[in-house]
Amino acid sequence: QQQVKQSPQSLIVQKGGIPIINCAYENTAFDYFPWYQQFPGKGPALLIAIRPDVSEKKEGRFTISFNKSAKQFSLHIMDSQPGDSATYFCAASNDEGGGNKLTFGTGTQLKVEL
Amino acid sequence: DSGVTQTPKHLITATGQRVTLRCSPRSGDLSVYWYQQSLDQGLQFLIQYYNGEERAKGNILERFSAQQFPDLHSELNLSSLELGDSALYFCASSGMIAGPQYFGPGTRLTVL
Repeated sequence: QQQVKQSPQSLIVQKGGIPIINCAYENTAFDYFPWYQQFPGKGPALLIAIRPDVSEKKEGRFTISFNKSAKQFSLHIMDSQPGDSATYFCAASNDEGGGNKLTFGTGTQLKVEL
Repeated sequence: DSGVTQTPKHLITATGQRVTLRCSPRSGDLSVYWYQQSLDQGLQFLIQYYNGEERAKGNILERFSAQQFPDLHSELNLSSLELGDSALYFCASSGMIAGPQYFGPGTRLTVL
């Protein structure tokens, strides 16, 4: 079964801290791993994504670390700010069957306190 | 703003009714995806269309159907609505069959 397991369910950090959100997957056919940020009442917004041929990708304050052998990937938010308080979703997909559906994790509610 | 538009923003209806949700993809995008977000099921993929043709199907109920029109906008039809269909419905689009998916603002459906 195609699943993506995400942890923790919620996370509170102080301003300037580095929250880390972890995801694990089962289907080795997955070849695209995006992270989305969602604010209340809004749609998920694509933050950053990685493919399994690299172990790390940075975009601004956001970094994805990818461990293909362990089938795990994580999101790190450097110098976190109160404006980063949101729900974060990891996801995975592949083009199996000619389509491209995203399988999402259950989400992590992040709160960054002053 | 992702460039994906969805209407209506909110929809309140009664059990047994039928509704249509509309999505316009980003300019130039050929793929449209529909997702359902609920508290108990999380974000679930429903269906994908590419240039008018169905390309992938997820956990979409038989009471639900979708289509993509020649101008590339898409509609999701939900019929015989049940209380459990209350959720946020998101549309996303991407340039090709695969690739980064950009989500719209969603339609919040409430079934009373």
